[in-house]
Amino acid sequence: GAGVSQSPRYKVAKRGQDVALRCDPISGHVSLFWYQQALGQGPEFLTYFQNEAQLDKSGLPSDRFFAERPEGSVSTLKIQRTQQEDSAVYLCASSLASNVAGPSSGANVLTFGAGSRLTVL
Amino acid sequence: DQQVKQNSPSLSVQEGRISILNCDYTNSMFDYFLWYKKYPAEGPTFLISISSIKDKNEDGRFTVFLNKSAKHLSLHIVPSQPGDSAVYFCAAATYTDKLIFGTGTRLQVFP
Repeated sequence: GAGVSQSPRYKVAKRGQDVALRCDPISGHVSLFWYQQALGQGPEFLTYFQNEAQLDKSGLPSDRFFAERPEGSVSTLKIQRTQQEDSAVYLCASSLASNVAGPSSGANVLTFGAGSRLTVL
Repeated sequence: DQQVKQNSPSLSVQEGRISILNCDYTNSMFDYFLWYKKYPAEGPTFLISISSIKDKNEDGRFTVFLNKSAKHLSLHIVPSQPGDSAVYFCAAATYTDKLIFGTGTRLQVFP
């Protein structure tokens, strides 16, 4: 598609429920990132995929968080047994290049989706 | 330990004047700095970037300045327009690591 698509846009969960957030990156984009943005804060890194390989998951806050990208395109972020502190906007971003950052060129700039806003009651 | 800091949560500027948004960082290993702009209910969109080997990069009304000795960068918008009203995030990275974002500055441009 033309951009990064995320669904659902809004999710309300009761504490203890499991949730799954989906990201459709731009077709052909090699790199995919998940970020968490709490209210009034900047996006914080969660995890990074290069194709189907999860190369960095150092930002996942606990073992309740799990991400996958089995075929190197669509990615799912799953949060088990949600807690109130999980309430945030979850942003997905993709880029054409295979390296994580790199010089600013069209290939390396991250394109973000609109995010999935999770509210845990 | 916040490696990228935006100490001004908000800024209000009159249309036509200059907007200056500031960002400080602590990691001298950063190679690469970017500014992203975010409207409500949308994802951040890339605005402008600068490599650590440069001290200035200009793109139309937007100019980013980098002062490595002070570990400081700034974004200048001239002239400011009402459509520039948004949250601006500064971000930084090394060439082999992920982007680290600041907390953002909300810019409001009034007529």
